[in-house]
Amino acid sequence: KNQVEQSPQSLIILEGKNCTLQCNYTVSPFSNLRWYKQDTGRGPVSLTIMTFSENTKSNGRYTATLDADTKQSSLHITASQLSDSASYICVVSAPLTGGGNKLTFGTGTQLKVEL
Amino acid sequence: DVKVTQSSRYLVKRTGEKVFLECVQDMDHENMFWYRQDPGLGLRLIYFSYDVKMKEKGDIPEGYSVSREKKERFSLILESASTNQTSMYLCASSLGGISTDTQYFGPGTRLTVL
Repeated sequence: KNQVEQSPQSLIILEGKNCTLQCNYTVSPFSNLRWYKQDTGRGPVSLTIMTFSENTKSNGRYTATLDADTKQSSLHITASQLSDSASYICVVSAPLTGGGNKLTFGTGTQLKVEL
Repeated sequence: DVKVTQSSRYLVKRTGEKVFLECVQDMDHENMFWYRQDPGLGLRLIYFSYDVKMKEKGDIPEGYSVSREKKERFSLILESASTNQTSMYLCASSLGGISTDTQYFGPGTRLTVL
């Protein structure tokens, strides 16, 4: 069964500190891996996307890494801000034989940044 | 910017009622999706559509139906709402055609069935 597991489930850090969120997956075949940010009461917004051949992708203070051999990804947030408080969701995409992609969503890491 | 709107942010219905959740996107996207999001379970796909009047079942279609009469609009229908359908419902759309296709999400509708 295709699964995406994220850790930790929740995290509290002080403003200005760095943090790293983890994602392990068993999805196969693999098309791409995406990190979404979901603010409370909002829909998820895509932060980064990595295909099989990419092992790192940055978007401002967000840097995602991918190890397709071990099926692991991480999202590193640098110099955290209060606005980084959100749920971060790892999503792995698998190609469908009839075309299109099947997405498998992790349950998210709830990050809270405090003063 | 892509904009995906959902008809209601909060909705309270009674068991047995017929419920319509509407979703509209303004970017001429081919694909549209309905998910539900529950604590500890992540997003789960209910139904999706790759074209007008076309629909495909997702992972949890039981108790739901959909309608796509126009390209920009995708409706989720609960024929007879039940308490276990209390959830956050998220609509998404995507352009389609490429493996790195991005899904853009609406703000969600929090449905409570009493």
